[in-house]
Amino acid sequence: KNQVEQSPQSLIILEGKNCTLQCNYTVSPFSNLRWYKQDTGRGPVSLTIMTFSENTKSNGRYTATLDADTKQSSLHITASQLSDSASYICVVRRGGNFGNEKLTFGTGTRLTIIP
Amino acid sequence: KAGVTQTPRYLIKTRGQQVTLSCSPISGHRSVSWYQQTPGQGLQFLFEYFSETQRNKGNFPGRFSGRQFSNSRSEMNVSTLELGDSALYLCASSTRDRNTDTQYFGPGTRLTVL
Repeated sequence: KNQVEQSPQSLIILEGKNCTLQCNYTVSPFSNLRWYKQDTGRGPVSLTIMTFSENTKSNGRYTATLDADTKQSSLHITASQLSDSASYICVVRRGGNFGNEKLTFGTGTRLTIIP
Repeated sequence: KAGVTQTPRYLIKTRGQQVTLSCSPISGHRSVSWYQQTPGQGLQFLFEYFSETQRNKGNFPGRFSGRQFSNSRSEMNVSTLELGDSALYLCASSTRDRNTDTQYFGPGTRLTVL
């Protein structure tokens, strides 16, 4: 069964600290993996997308890694800011024809940054 | 360029009623997908429309239906509402370009069924 599991479910850290969010998937065949940030009351916004051949991709203070062998991805946030408080969702696309029914979403990690 | 807009933002209905949600995609985007988001299940794919045709459908009952108009605007309808239909309904638009594969989400419609 195609699944995406994220951990932890929730995380609270102090402003300025770093943190790492995890995503494990069993989706096959793999096409790509994307991390989204969803602020409260808003729709998800794409942070990074990674394909099979990419190990690391950065977007400002966000760095995503992908290990296609172990089917794991992580999102590292450096020097956290209050505006990083949000839910972070990992999404994996199955290979094959290009339709959004091929997407499997994780349930997200709720990150709270406290001053 | 204006983002994806959804109306209404909030809706309260009672069991058995029906509801219609609307989504206006980013200008130039011809693909619109709908998702249901609940705390326990995360985002679940409902259906995708492209050029007024439903291209793909998720595992939802027939009470959930949709359509797309010639200007790419889309509507989603849920008939005979159940308590379990309470959720945030998100739509996302894209160019459906395999190379970019980026969806842009609207803010969602929060549906509460009493």
